[in-house]
Amino acid sequence: QVYLVESGGGVVQPGGSLRLSCGASGFNFNDYGMHWVRQAPGKGLEWVAFIRHDGSYEQNADSVKGRFTISRDSSKAILYLQMNSLRPEDTAVYYCAREQVVATGTPYYFDLWGQGALVTVSS
Amino acid sequence: EIVLTQSPVTLSLSPGERATLSCRASQSVSIYLAWYQQKPGQAPRLLIYDASTRATGIPARFSGSGSGTDFTLTISSLEPEDFAVYYCQQRINWRRLTFGGGTKVEIK
Repeated sequence: QVYLVESGGGVVQPGGSLRLSCGASGFNFNDYGMHWVRQAPGKGLEWVAFIRHDGSYEQNADSVKGRFTISRDSSKAILYLQMNSLRPEDTAVYYCAREQVVATGTPYYFDLWGQGALVTVSS
Repeated sequence: EIVLTQSPVTLSLSPGERATLSCRASQSVSIYLAWYQQKPGQAPRLLIYDASTRATGIPARFSGSGSGTDFTLTISSLEPEDFAVYYCQQRINWRRLTFGGGTKVEIK
């Protein structure tokens, strides 16, 4: 069975840090680029970050640039999102998602999603 | 950044009716547009990519069309499980992937 499972969400104070993890199962993790996409409560979807299948390139949204870092551990099939200097506007459900196109250098679409992890930034 | 504007915001229809959802881009995205369905409390699901190609396992009642700046998602005959929120997404500006604001298809 093919799936993604996020973990690491929780409540953090403004200015704090949190690391999300996403475990992949049922497919060859090393063949796929991966993304983080977030959704603020009652709002739409916002793409956050992408990392190539081989970890050679990363791209972040402007709203998180310099604060969030996407990374991957191919030996463990785990995707990470390190979030620093968190702000109240970062409050959202964070989804990890698989890139649709195998071994692509640039991102396309999201064909497999996890169930999401809620991050709440509040004092 | 490419802005995607979806209309209408809410579409009230009955099961069996045809649904037509629109997504307009602020500049051309060629055919590089996808549609997703999201039900309450669930993650989004890829329906259509490259404007008109159905993703694996998506029923034939879902179809996509368009190119450039104007795109349409059509659900030919609404099933009860189709009432959800639908988002479009562009990838031509791959350094800044963006989504539309969503269209909610609700039961009339």
